[in-house]
Amino acid sequence: GEDVEQSLFLSVREGDSSVINCTYTDSSSTYLYWYKQEPGAGLQLLTYIFSNMDMKQDQRLTVLLNKKDKHLSLRIADTQTGDSAIYFCAASTGGGNKLTFGTGTQLKVEL
Amino acid sequence: GAVVSQHPSRVICKSGTSVKIECRSLDFQATTMFWYRQFPKQSLMLMATSNEGSKATYEQGVEKDKFLINHASLTLSTLTVTSAHPEDSSFYICSARVPKYRGGYNEQFFGPGTRLTVL
Repeated sequence: GEDVEQSLFLSVREGDSSVINCTYTDSSSTYLYWYKQEPGAGLQLLTYIFSNMDMKQDQRLTVLLNKKDKHLSLRIADTQTGDSAIYFCAASTGGGNKLTFGTGTQLKVEL
Repeated sequence: GAVVSQHPSRVICKSGTSVKIECRSLDFQATTMFWYRQFPKQSLMLMATSNEGSKATYEQGVEKDKFLINHASLTLSTLTVTSAHPEDSSFYICSARVPKYRGGYNEQFFGPGTRLTVL
């Protein structure tokens, strides 16, 4: 089955850019998502990208997809303290409805 | 985005009791809802897929008699943890898939989660 991996922790200074990386194993993954989870809360969908796209930008968020390497990244520009949270990437083959989640990356934003 | 609610947000119960958690899609009809379990500092584990009007599909290793799922309407799915034990303590999160008529592209919107503590 699909395996999705992320680095566990990232620390950045306020105002800098953050880049969170994700790798997946199933080359038939069609939909790739980024979710944000704040402490004690559910998941908030941030953005998603289809496998036929290389890049998607949405305000401060930029998603890059390297389909050949099965690598996905989320860049947050001008990172703020409110961006501190756990970020999950998730992959879906689209044919079914299952999402396979990565391990989550804890982003800490320091002043 | 679509709004999904869960109730209750937190529940503490004694071992042996049953607990029901509700998941509602507030502004859309969801033919498919999902139930996840999340342990502290870990990722989400899909427990089951709930389809309106039919039996839920459980993931391997999830006891269907232990975790009863009912999806009786297009806006409500319930998860009942039967005869709960301390090892069932966890954060339970539901999600709903946005249908295509709402512009959905297979993404899921999540409820705020329910923290279950079994004493």
